[in-house]
Amino acid sequence: QVELVESGGGVVQPGKSLRLSCEASGFRFSGVGMHWVRQGPGKGLEWVAGTSNDGTKKYYADSVKGRFTISRDNSRNTLHLQMNSLTIDDMGVYYCAKDRSYNAQRRLENWGQGAPVTVSP
Amino acid sequence: SYVLTQPPSVSMAPGQTARITCAGNNIGLKSVHWYQQKPGQAPVLVVYDDSDRPSGIPERFSGSNSGNTATLTISRVAAGDEAVYYCHVWDSDNDQVVFGGGTKLTVL
Repeated sequence: QVELVESGGGVVQPGKSLRLSCEASGFRFSGVGMHWVRQGPGKGLEWVAGTSNDGTKKYYADSVKGRFTISRDNSRNTLHLQMNSLTIDDMGVYYCAKDRSYNAQRRLENWGQGAPVTVSP
Repeated sequence: SYVLTQPPSVSMAPGQTARITCAGNNIGLKSVHWYQQKPGQAPVLVVYDDSDRPSGIPERFSGSNSGNTATLTISRVAAGDEAVYYCHVWDSDNDQVVFGGGTKLTVL
């Protein structure tokens, strides 16, 4: 069955960087788009970034454009999110999610359990 | 950018029908997806492409979409349906995923 396991979360100071990873199994990773979605403490879902199946198309929320980079390694079935210049507003749980389609423009069929990110001085 | 508006909360007695709305400009022209999130858990897809259900989701969950409003309908609500529900569309003008703010369903 589909499994998505996030890692790399933790505590980081404002202005610093963090890299999240999501290891995928149970499906053909190279055939589908993938996303990162976050949820601040007590808040709703906020989409962060998405990528097509081959990594050629990348999409970003306005709030992270220029600071975050989504990438994927299809040979290792792994999705990454490089987060730079972190602020308190970037705090929350970061979910990796699998899209239904190759171009990452459909429904999010499966979600990981999330990786917590805390930004604190 | 495209905006989806949901009511913050809906309360229903067990056995009644809950309707959760998601408003957006001409949302009827887009495919709408719905997710259920219970406390401390990851979201789960419950309705996709306006009205289809993933395998394993009860028939009590249904959806519709027309004009400027999409609706998630949960019939015969039970305590286990208590959760926050989010709608989602793809904003093709800006190439972005958009989520509604979420609606907390309380079963009285």
